[in-house]
Amino acid sequence: GAVVSQHPSWVICKSGTSVKIECRSLDFQATTMFWYRQFPKQSLMLMATSNEGSKATYEQGVEKDKFLINHASLTLSTLTVTSAHPEDSSFYICSAGIGTAGLREQFFGPGTRLTVL
Amino acid sequence: GQQVMQIPQYQHVQEGEDFTTYCNSSTTLSNIQWYKQRPGGHPVFLIQLVKSGEVKKQKRLTFQFGEAKKNSSLHITATQTTDVGTYFCAGRGSGGGSNYKLTFGKGTLLTVNP
Repeated sequence: GAVVSQHPSWVICKSGTSVKIECRSLDFQATTMFWYRQFPKQSLMLMATSNEGSKATYEQGVEKDKFLINHASLTLSTLTVTSAHPEDSSFYICSAGIGTAGLREQFFGPGTRLTVL
Repeated sequence: GQQVMQIPQYQHVQEGEDFTTYCNSSTTLSNIQWYKQRPGGHPVFLIQLVKSGEVKKQKRLTFQFGEAKKNSSLHITATQTTDVGTYFCAGRGSGGGSNYKLTFGKGTLLTVNP
């Protein structure tokens, strides 16, 4: 089956630093990758949608200058949380989609738990 | 914007009892997907429903899509401890632009007492 990896699985950083999270589709090429944020016991909130070689589309309320997304290839997307603050602490999950606009089916990565001190 | 409501938020059952979670959208959907997230894990795709009134079964799981394509349900017959987790529905809008994305419900956390 389709596998999506995410690295790192967890990270602890100091306030003001930047953190990069990688999302890779290991055995397939994803037309689209999605970045979600999940707070404890809450649902997944879509942050942005990215297509290889083009700028990401951010959801309303998500700061594009704070959450930088780079989609360099059909198998790799990165999310950089710039100048992280404690309120950015969360579970960040990526997914790789197949089909039209990547919405026929999404395969989720294992997530990255970010803790900002 | 598109909203997807899911109830109940929590459900605790005895092993062997049935379980149902319901999903309602504020707008007509083009399709709906269901995911399961085990505690500490990530969401795993279960199924996609596309047609009005569609019913699909996966062993003890039965998925329904309403006639108006605005609601859906997941029913588990005779729950087992392995069914524990949070079940999310995710609806895709039928319009263009921002409605094209998947909007997730808040999920239903199922716990099963052995």
